[in-house]
Amino acid sequence: AQSVTQLGSHVSVSEGALVLLRCNYSSSVPPYLFWYVQYPNQGLQLLLKYTTGATLVKGINGFEAEFKKSETSFHLTKPSAHMSDAAEYFCAVSTANTGNQFYFGTGTSLTVIP
Amino acid sequence: SAVISQKPSRDICQRGTSLTIQCQVDSQVTMMFWYRQQPGQSLTLIATANQGSEATYESGFVIDKFPISRPNLTFSTLTVSNMSPEDSSIYLCSTSQGNTEAFFGQGTRLTVV
Repeated sequence: AQSVTQLGSHVSVSEGALVLLRCNYSSSVPPYLFWYVQYPNQGLQLLLKYTTGATLVKGINGFEAEFKKSETSFHLTKPSAHMSDAAEYFCAVSTANTGNQFYFGTGTSLTVIP
Repeated sequence: SAVISQKPSRDICQRGTSLTIQCQVDSQVTMMFWYRQQPGQSLTLIATANQGSEATYESGFVIDKFPISRPNLTFSTLTVSNMSPEDSSIYLCSTSQGNTEAFFGQGTRLTVV
């Protein structure tokens, strides 16, 4: 079975500071990993994904994440936070044998302090 | 990619009534998914809807409460029946491109009073 754990339901950073949102996964087969962002009153938007190949993936809005198999992690980072980054962030996993189903973490709410 | 239009975007309903949420995809897709996102929580899969067959419900969700239609490869509806305040949530329609990406509608914010 697949599952995702996001450490920290709420994270606050100052504008211009590093953003680090943590995600660990559990999967018995090679995972596909995703980060989605949800702005208030909107659906989910894909930030970035890892399927195969390079383990450091870059996404939109300056975000990136690194797949570390040995640590079963896929943490999301951004060097410098902007006020517009304030949103809910969800890590998700799927695999080739989950029938197109995605499993989501509980989400991390990011607050950016001016 | 797939663009999903979902409506209504929000509604306030009386308890005991039903609400049908519509989801339209701009391309033909095999599988569509319905999620519930309760306040402050993550997404919980309600059911998977395949065209031409009964929807597959996850544990804790039943067809009588959440009937789903899937009349063709671009459209699906979810009905929340006999609503109570506990049904107040965001309901999200989704489809996926294999296992490599999931696409979401804008969500329906339901408040039951």
